Amino acid sequence: GQNIDQPTEMTATEGAIVQINCTYQTSGFNGLFWYQQHAGEAPTFLSYNVLDGLEEKGRFSSFLSRSKGYSYLLLKELQMKDSASYLCASHTGGGNKLTFGTGTQLKVEL
Amino acid sequence: GAVVSQHPSWVICKSGTSVKIECRSLDFQATTMFWYRQFPKQSLMLMATSNEGSKATYEQGVEKDKFLINHASLTLSTLTVTSAHPEDSSFYICSAQSDRENSPLHFGNGTRLTVT
Repeated sequence: GQNIDQPTEMTATEGAIVQINCTYQTSGFNGLFWYQQHAGEAPTFLSYNVLDGLEEKGRFSSFLSRSKGYSYLLLKELQMKDSASYLCASHTGGGNKLTFGTGTQLKVEL
Repeated sequence: GAVVSQHPSWVICKSGTSVKIECRSLDFQATTMFWYRQFPKQSLMLMATSNEGSKATYEQGVEKDKFLINHASLTLSTLTVTSAHPEDSSFYICSAQSDRENSPLHFGNGTRLTVT
């Protein structure tokens, strides 16, 4: 089966750095997606990691370790608008099937 | 970038009626679209995979006769919730992927269904 774990909630301060972790146990693993979802809206794509290592994209970076079944999303220079749910999702199998974690609700405070 | 349009954004219907939700890929062709359901403060749960020109593949526990999926063209998939009940009230989201390798899934804006 597929199992994905991430913290339920996190709180951070505006301007700070926050790391959201995700561990997964899946079969047929292809890669790991991160999505951002604001309340009442659809998820928006942030990153997709296939190979081990860190990929940086502006204020957001994502890391993957396939051997450890571990990923994290790093958000720098936090802004109030970054308050949202962050979903990690494993991409498995020959199709484009994604299995989502429950999401981490990030609250950015002044 | 790839755009997926979903309609309607929200719908309120009476128990026992049917509701149709449309999902369109606006600037790319999608042979496969996915339908998810999300209850408050929960994760997205895949309901079914919609395949153009063939029958949808449903996830375990999802009633195919209740959630009818039609994927008649490369840019349109529809989900019909038949004989809706209050427990079907949820946020339904479709997604699609272009044919480019490792391209991400792009999501529609979702449909908030409330069954009274």
